[in-house]
Amino acid sequence: GAGVSQTPSNKVTEKGKYVELRCDPISGHTALYWYRQSLGQGPEFLIYFQGTGAADDSGLPNDRFFAVRPEGSVSTLKIQRTERGDSAVYLCASSSSRLGAPTGELFFGEGSRLTVL
Amino acid sequence: RKEVEQDPGPFNVPEGATVAFNCTYSNSASQSFFWYRQDCRKEPKLLMSVYSSGNEDGRFTAQLNRASQYISLLIRDSKLSDSATYLCVPPNPWEYMRFGAGTRLTVKP
Repeated sequence: GAGVSQTPSNKVTEKGKYVELRCDPISGHTALYWYRQSLGQGPEFLIYFQGTGAADDSGLPNDRFFAVRPEGSVSTLKIQRTERGDSAVYLCASSSSRLGAPTGELFFGEGSRLTVL
Repeated sequence: RKEVEQDPGPFNVPEGATVAFNCTYSNSASQSFFWYRQDCRKEPKLLMSVYSSGNEDGRFTAQLNRASQYISLLIRDSKLSDSATYLCVPPNPWEYMRFGAGTRLTVKP
């Protein structure tokens, strides 16, 4: 498809388990962002990739969270030893903006809803 | 002070009303700002992008007040279809977008 694709759309897991969330951005978009959104809140920034490198990972809450984008396209957000507080919708967005240019429009995927029991 | 503050609402207005939302911010080093719209259980979508002090697009007007550090969104002649959560993205010096918590608008017949 032409838009940002995220899988799985829903993930239910148990406390302490490992989870991977995948994002397939719009073809040709060099910038990729991960956000998470809790009920009643705006999207909270997690990490930003420009190409293959993490340009800014200051939003990752702790070292249980990690993200990769090895070929500059698909990205995977990895959460180790999940906790109930990790439950949220994890949104991926991509953009055609270049580093140093004004951040243009973000195109979001539909999100992965994570529930940690 | 939070970096981005936005009145969560809800704003309940009748069709045809004019409604305005504000969003205050800190730590600005740029002039571009954005408003996104998010429908219930959907992803955010760009409503307006502004690379100056303001922009008007049909019934929507977005403005920036740098001195007081807030941005605003004005919606004229509200439609039922305007019911959504409006997320502000104020100017900021980083390469990622910082979103406000969102203001929920319900337009009633």
